[in-house]
Amino acid sequence: DGGITQSPKYLFRKEGQNVTLSCEQNLNHDAMYWYRQDPGQGLRLIYYSQIVNDFQKGDIAEGYSVSREKKESFPLTVTSAQKNPTAFYLCASNPHISTDTQYFGPGTRLTVL
Amino acid sequence: AQSVAQPEDQVNVAEGNPLTVKCTYSVSGNPYLFWYVQYPNRGLQFLLKYITGDNLVKGSYGFEAEFNKSQTSFHLKKPSALVSDSALYFCAVRDSFNKFYFGSGTKLNVKP
Repeated sequence: DGGITQSPKYLFRKEGQNVTLSCEQNLNHDAMYWYRQDPGQGLRLIYYSQIVNDFQKGDIAEGYSVSREKKESFPLTVTSAQKNPTAFYLCASNPHISTDTQYFGPGTRLTVL
Repeated sequence: AQSVAQPEDQVNVAEGNPLTVKCTYSVSGNPYLFWYVQYPNRGLQFLLKYITGDNLVKGSYGFEAEFNKSQTSFHLKKPSALVSDSALYFCAVRDSFNKFYFGSGTKLNVKP
């Protein structure tokens, strides 16, 4: 799982509540990403950030928000507008080198009660 | 548009036999291709990558992958499977904007 930490590992939320997932990296990577993983659907990109104070929507950004105030941190907020938030959320990072891989955190499993 | 396809949801193989997990891709420009492995409730771990050069790429845990430009494929292989190789495998392609596109994943089952 490299130098990327995600917390908490498990998260339970009541319907109608916002919740924030933490992602921190100490790899000095410029780019950071949030993915959602559902069974049989692989990884879908929610948001990504190439540099501090800048981020772009991915394929499924509706109902989510992010911030990138520090290079090492990229928190994801799951808002009440996300209709089906129960999933496994993965954070990743990589340097701005075209040949390098992504490095993944251990993931957060979010369950809506 | 960039995309990756993994045509098999599941691959079953007996321990000691060779294994192949298939991946095909569509990308504009030079393909930067990756394979990852995921164990239950864990993040993805990098196995290997193709950037340029030799079409046969060697990676972690005895895995290798063969890049075939004419067939736009990047199949993952291992000469002799282990029970501990049982996991979920993802193929991915990276575009020139630093975005990664993942296949839907293939579950590998290695039986003793």
